[in-house]
Amino acid sequence: DTAVSQTPKYLVTQMGNDKSIKCEQNLGHDTMYWYKQDSKKFLKIMFSYNNKELIINETVPNRFSPKSPDKAHLNLHINSLELGDSAVYFCASSPRIAASYEQYFGPGTRLTVT
Amino acid sequence: GNSVTQMEGPVTLSEEAFLTINCTYTATGYPSLFWYVQYPGEGLQLLLKATKADDKGSNKGFEATYRKETTSFHLEKGSVQVSDSAVYFCALIIYSGAGSYQLTFGKGTKLSVIP
Repeated sequence: DTAVSQTPKYLVTQMGNDKSIKCEQNLGHDTMYWYKQDSKKFLKIMFSYNNKELIINETVPNRFSPKSPDKAHLNLHINSLELGDSAVYFCASSPRIAASYEQYFGPGTRLTVT
Repeated sequence: GNSVTQMEGPVTLSEEAFLTINCTYTATGYPSLFWYVQYPGEGLQLLLKATKADDKGSNKGFEATYRKETTSFHLEKGSVQVSDSAVYFCALIIYSGAGSYQLTFGKGTKLSVIP
């Protein structure tokens, strides 16, 4: 009965490869997010989708492309991976995008680029 | 722009000590404020929130009051336990117009509680 799930949990790959991380939420939420957490635990929002529509798109290299096939899924595809992409990536969801709603986070995907 | 500033960690306390983690924000408008907690190897979980000035959020013995006059949302707990060892994040969300919202997290404060 996991609320927000991500796959894979760990991903080790080489520079230059293309990889995807999948996220699913079974909470019936309208809004989903992707965050990057670096080695110093600094958390930065990357994207947000509301009902499959992109609503937050922070300054992120265009090698990163989110895809939302339906409102329960938000996948993150990364092209031409670089060493600096190594981090933990968190997916999150909230009932809708509004100031009063908290987010529910997935367990994270630890990406290591060698 | 909007920003959140948390006290630098790590913070190390003995069990049953009093905890304060400072959080101040800058925002053009009226944000909602949140504290999230991240236990080792896990994702973030909401700890408490406050959506307007003078609101007090509380959960699991933790409290924080939304102070508009000092733009602060300091986290407090009267008696910490070893199980409170985690990283704590202060965050804000604010409507930025045209159907958009801005979400900003602080850099996190690592708390270690020793028996």
